[in-house]
Amino acid sequence: KNEVEQSPQNLTAQEGEFITINCSYSVGISALHWLQQHPGGGIVSLFMLSSGKKKHGRLIATINIQEKHSSLHITASHPRDSAVYICAVRLPGTASKLTFGTGTRLQVTL
Amino acid sequence: DAGITQSPRHKVTETGTPVTLRCHQTENHRYMYWYRQDPGHGLRLIHYSYGVKDTDKGEVSDGYSVSRSKTEDFLLTLESATSSQTSVYFCAISADPGYEQYFGPGTRLTVT
Repeated sequence: KNEVEQSPQNLTAQEGEFITINCSYSVGISALHWLQQHPGGGIVSLFMLSSGKKKHGRLIATINIQEKHSSLHITASHPRDSAVYICAVRLPGTASKLTFGTGTRLQVTL
Repeated sequence: DAGITQSPRHKVTETGTPVTLRCHQTENHRYMYWYRQDPGHGLRLIHYSYGVKDTDKGEVSDGYSVSRSKTEDFLLTLESATSSQTSVYFCAISADPGYEQYFGPGTRLTVT
């Protein structure tokens, strides 16, 4: 079983919809990252969080350490949000190593 | 954008040949990483470096070696390429393991 599970694997939404992508992990972590991979392949770091909530523009990331769960929300989605969203966790004692989920492919249509 | 480049961006090579991929950064970050990305798998760590001449293995290091003789360059070598090493390879950097990682554009390697 993968240590990091994302759901859904694929998601199609219409422009303007509120989107939620989920990430669950099975062990205690020291931090969680959300990344975006563009259709062209480039990977961009969106958030790094170890507690609570962070917001950047239309993106919001939350984490519940007790439930071992994080969510990435996109408000007022737009076709340019179409990408693969990747969750990654840093395990305690592995300061330099991230364990990645397989990603959620999001398609936002007009 | 963080200053990270990878070369080559695309390469096709034959089984059994040596291949070296280069990652170059202009950010003076201490940590550098090599990942591979394959369908059905998340990004997987091959090797990482925590300083000049300081490297360590990741989860999929078999068949790969690395070198870091300067802060700005991190080389990944496939001594004898195999078809199972066909993949997209990403380099990443971070100032500290507790900080965000910034990714290079990737290298698509095909081993025939």
